[in-house]
Amino acid sequence: DTAVSQTPKYLVTQMGNDKSIKCEQNLGHDTMYWYKQDSKKFLKIMFSYNNKELIINETVPNRFSPKSPDKAHLNLHINSLELGDSAVYFCASSQSPGLAGIQQFFGPGTRLTVL
Amino acid sequence: GIQVEQSPPDLILQEGANSTLRCNFSDSVNNLQWFHQNPWGQLINLFYIPSGTKQNGRLSATTVATERYSLLYISSSQTTDSGVYFCAPLGGSYIPTFGRGTSLIVHP
Repeated sequence: DTAVSQTPKYLVTQMGNDKSIKCEQNLGHDTMYWYKQDSKKFLKIMFSYNNKELIINETVPNRFSPKSPDKAHLNLHINSLELGDSAVYFCASSQSPGLAGIQQFFGPGTRLTVL
Repeated sequence: GIQVEQSPPDLILQEGANSTLRCNFSDSVNNLQWFHQNPWGQLINLFYIPSGTKQNGRLSATTVATERYSLLYISSSQTTDSGVYFCAPLGGSYIPTFGRGTSLIVHP
């Protein structure tokens, strides 16, 4: 059973298009995250949701909009894609922040290539 | 936010060698995780270790929270240990911060 899953695994698209990446976790966690990993492998958090509420929003352009229909899902929609959006996007989940035992579990990543 | 520094940035080993990876962080932390990103890009949990020492097979980790560092030990390295090792401390703001990683290559 996959704990954190993402679709699609690869996404190739043209500049200016709008695309979505989906994430689902079956760990029963309350908190989900989106990270961006650039070509130099640097991982930076973009968003975090706790029980469907946005709790972290780290200086990400407005073109990126996360949506959490329920606490097991966190989707990422990107409008007007730019070349600089090319990266690997990782979804992760954990128990609620504020609890001592936070441990993040990551999905397999989605490699986005903008042409 | 927390500043995280990992060293060395790159490491090349012969199979069977031991190594120590270091993670320094600038502020007190609530927890700290070590991850291995394998050559296929998968991020794998190694340790959740806000303080103390833990061992899992050939790997062990020690975090000295009062001195703001954590160490990851790899003994008898194998080619499958190749990849990038990240530490990710979590401070009071609960914003996870990743270090830039140590890229490890283990030659047969």
